Amino acid sequence: QMQLVQSGPEVKKPGTSVKVSCKASGINFSGSAMQWVRQARGQGLEWIGWIVVGSGNTNYAQNFQERVTIARDMSTSTTYMELSSLRSEDTAVYYCAAGDFDLWGRGTLVTVSS
Amino acid sequence: SYELTQPSSVSVSPGQTARITCSGDILARKYVRWFQQKPGQAPVLVIYKDTERLSGIPERFSGSSSGTTVTLTINGAQVEDEADYYCYCGADNSLRVFGGGTKLTVV
Repeated sequence: QMQLVQSGPEVKKPGTSVKVSCKASGINFSGSAMQWVRQARGQGLEWIGWIVVGSGNTNYAQNFQERVTIARDMSTSTTYMELSSLRSEDTAVYYCAAGDFDLWGRGTLVTVSS
Repeated sequence: SYELTQPSSVSVSPGQTARITCSGDILARKYVRWFQQKPGQAPVLVIYKDTERLSGIPERFSGSSSGTTVTLTINGAQVEDEADYYCYCGADNSLRVFGGGTKLTVV
């Protein structure tokens, strides 16, 4: 069936980086776009950016442009979101989603704490 | 940048009609999607292209649009509809925008 399986929870120290993966199955991965959003506890959804899988073209939200990299590995149908220079405010659940948010992963909790 | 404005909360009794609005200038020329998110779960797409209901979503969910405001309507809201609802618009290739979310209480 169609699903997006995300990597497990992460605990990181301020100033370091985190890389979250999202493996797709049951969808036309190479013909898709893959999006990333995050949600801090008790807060709304914040768009981070997206990648057009076939071309590898990316677009990032202005708030994240200098710190985020979204990439994909077509051989494993996996997309990655790496966020650098982490700070406590980056503590959130990070979601990947396929297409225009047609299908969502279950989320990955990233905790940034000293 | 673009903004989508939603009420922070809506409360109805079971069986009543719940209406959740989403406003923004961009909505005069772009479609909206609605997502339902229950506690501890990922969001789920409910409505796309302002008014189209996803297969499997109960018929009591509907969407409408007028000018710069779109509305998610739940006719005969049920207790299981209690959730956070987010509107979303793909404004352009470099900008995707979510509304702030509306907490629907059915009690």
